[in-house]
Amino acid sequence: GQNIDQPTEMTATEGAIVQINCTYQTSGFNGLFWYQQHAGEAPTFLSYNVLDGLEEKGRFSSFLSRSKGYSYLLLKELQMKDSASYLCAVRDRGQNFVFGPGTRLSVLP
Amino acid sequence: DSGVTQTPKHLITATGQRVTLRCSPRSGDLSVYWYQQSLDQGLQFLIQYYNGEERAKGNILERFSAQQFPDLHSELNLSSLELGDSALYFCASSAGADSSSYEQYFGPGTRLTVT
Repeated sequence: GQNIDQPTEMTATEGAIVQINCTYQTSGFNGLFWYQQHAGEAPTFLSYNVLDGLEEKGRFSSFLSRSKGYSYLLLKELQMKDSASYLCAVRDRGQNFVFGPGTRLSVLP
Repeated sequence: DSGVTQTPKHLITATGQRVTLRCSPRSGDLSVYWYQQSLDQGLQFLIQYYNGEERAKGNILERFSAQQFPDLHSELNLSSLELGDSALYFCASSAGADSSSYEQYFGPGTRLTVT
């Protein structure tokens, strides 16, 4: 079967750095996505990795290791508005999207 | 505002009924995706259409069907509704068909309540 694991909840302090891990086992691989979703709102796209390595986009970076079935999302200089759920998703061989359960991040002052 | 519109915002209906959810993609986007999000199941991919053709199929029940019209808007039809179908249904759009056009823009969602 297909499976994506993420921590359920994380807490961090404003101004700090936090790393949200994601491990996956899917039928093939056509890219890994990270989304941010604030409570009661639609997801918004954060990053996309298809090759191994680090993709940086402002305060957010995403890393991928295909051989390990592993990714992480790194958030720097945390702000209160970063309190949200972060969803990891993999597009598999059949072009389906498989989502993890999401990590609820709370940023404390 | 992502540029993706969904109607209606809220829908309350009874078990056994049929409903249609509508989505208009961002101007110029050819792909439309449908997702279901419930509290116990998280976000689930249902189906993708690209320029009127079905492109990928996920965990979509046989009671559910979708189509994309020549003007690129899409409709998701849910029939023989059950209590467990109560969820948020999101539509998203992207420029292309595959992961080379990877950035998806989500609409605000339709909240379906089945009583």
